[in-house]
Amino acid sequence: GAVVSQHPSWVICKSGTSVKIECRSLDFQATTMFWYRQFPKQSLMLMATSNEGSKATYEQGVEKDKFLINHASLTLSTLTVTSAHPEDSSFYICSAPTDEWGEQYFGPGTRLTVT
Amino acid sequence: GQNIDQPTEMTATEGAIVQINCTYQTSGFNGLFWYQQHAGEAPTFLSYNVLDGLEEKGRFSSFLSRSKGYSYLLLKELQMKDSASYLCAVLDSNYQLIWGAGTKLIIKP
Repeated sequence: GAVVSQHPSWVICKSGTSVKIECRSLDFQATTMFWYRQFPKQSLMLMATSNEGSKATYEQGVEKDKFLINHASLTLSTLTVTSAHPEDSSFYICSAPTDEWGEQYFGPGTRLTVT
Repeated sequence: GQNIDQPTEMTATEGAIVQINCTYQTSGFNGLFWYQQHAGEAPTFLSYNVLDGLEEKGRFSSFLSRSKGYSYLLLKELQMKDSASYLCAVLDSNYQLIWGAGTKLIIKP
């Protein structure tokens, strides 16, 4: 099956700093990638849809200036958490469909802890 | 609004059978997914239903009734490793995945 990787798998940063998370589709091209956030004991919450070559689409309530998304190529999307605060500590997961409506392939997730 | 309901938590015994239900109300329907998620890990794909009926895959089966807005995931011969959260998700008319809150399944010896 298709493989999606994320880097880093976990990161600890200080409040006020920025953190970049990479999501790569390793063996297929993804014009669309999705970024999710999951707080402990809660379900996945879609943050934004990343579109190759165009601006990301953010879900209601997600600050686009705080969570910067760049989908520079067909295999790479990045999520930058700017000026991170402790409440941004969460599990961030990306996913990519292999076709328009197919199965989502998930990255392994990135656990962010902001101190 | 769009809504997906599934039980918050279920408990079952090793070796037994458990059925996890999911009901949905969405704007359009392009398929229903079941995912398994172990604590601290990303979800993994279990099944996809777009037509009514039962899809069987080993110990896991998934059923869909579009007219009733209802699906269930059936797990047979439960093993301790099946302890996880099971997420139901529907692909709506805009091909956006709408997620349920997940069902935490606890398997007891």
